[in-house]
Amino acid sequence: GAGVSQSPSNKVTEKGKDVELRCDPISGHTALYWYRQRLGQGLEFLIYFQGNSAPDKSGLPSDRFSAERTGESVSTLTIQRTQQEDSAVYLCASSPSWGMNTEAFFGQGTRLTVV
Amino acid sequence: AQTVTQSQPEMSVQEAETVTLSCTYDTSESDYYLFWYKQPPSRQMILVIRQEAYKQQNATENRFSVNFQKAAKSFSLKISDSQLGDAAMYFCAWGAQKLVFGQGTRLTINP
Repeated sequence: GAGVSQSPSNKVTEKGKDVELRCDPISGHTALYWYRQRLGQGLEFLIYFQGNSAPDKSGLPSDRFSAERTGESVSTLTIQRTQQEDSAVYLCASSPSWGMNTEAFFGQGTRLTVV
Repeated sequence: AQTVTQSQPEMSVQEAETVTLSCTYDTSESDYYLFWYKQPPSRQMILVIRQEAYKQQNATENRFSVNFQKAAKSFSLKISDSQLGDAAMYFCAWGAQKLVFGQGTRLTINP
């Protein structure tokens, strides 16, 4: 596709269940980022991947959160034992290379609601 | 740690007027980038303008310009000739290896 694609667009899950959120970056983009946006708030950095380098996981809020990416393709963000505080929009972005000298392109996000 | 502060939760402006959105940041790094992103209700983050910290010249993109004061760590966005389509949340962001965002300013355009 032409842009960053995220699925699902919306997800409602019961407290305690696990969820997987998917991000398809723009083809050829080596860097991929995940952010969380709570209602009315700014974007909170979670994790980023650059090629085959070790990911920067410094923003993951707890060990219930994990993310994987195979090479320069799809990434999956997994939240285990979801809590109501996990309700937010999860945004993915990709960019052609490492660092901010190139533009990061965002997907439209997955709105996660934990009930 | 890097922080970005947007002190104006909401701003409003009359159509065709000029509005300035404020942003300050804190960092000990010397090489970085600053950004303004627009987020309409569709949730799509759209890059409005980017400034490279090593460049003294302020960036401009059509009706959008910035006032970058590196020593003061200030990075404000000026929107000239405001249009109804400019209504959105605006986020200031600092970036080196990753983007750090402010809390946003909701901009309303009054017809």
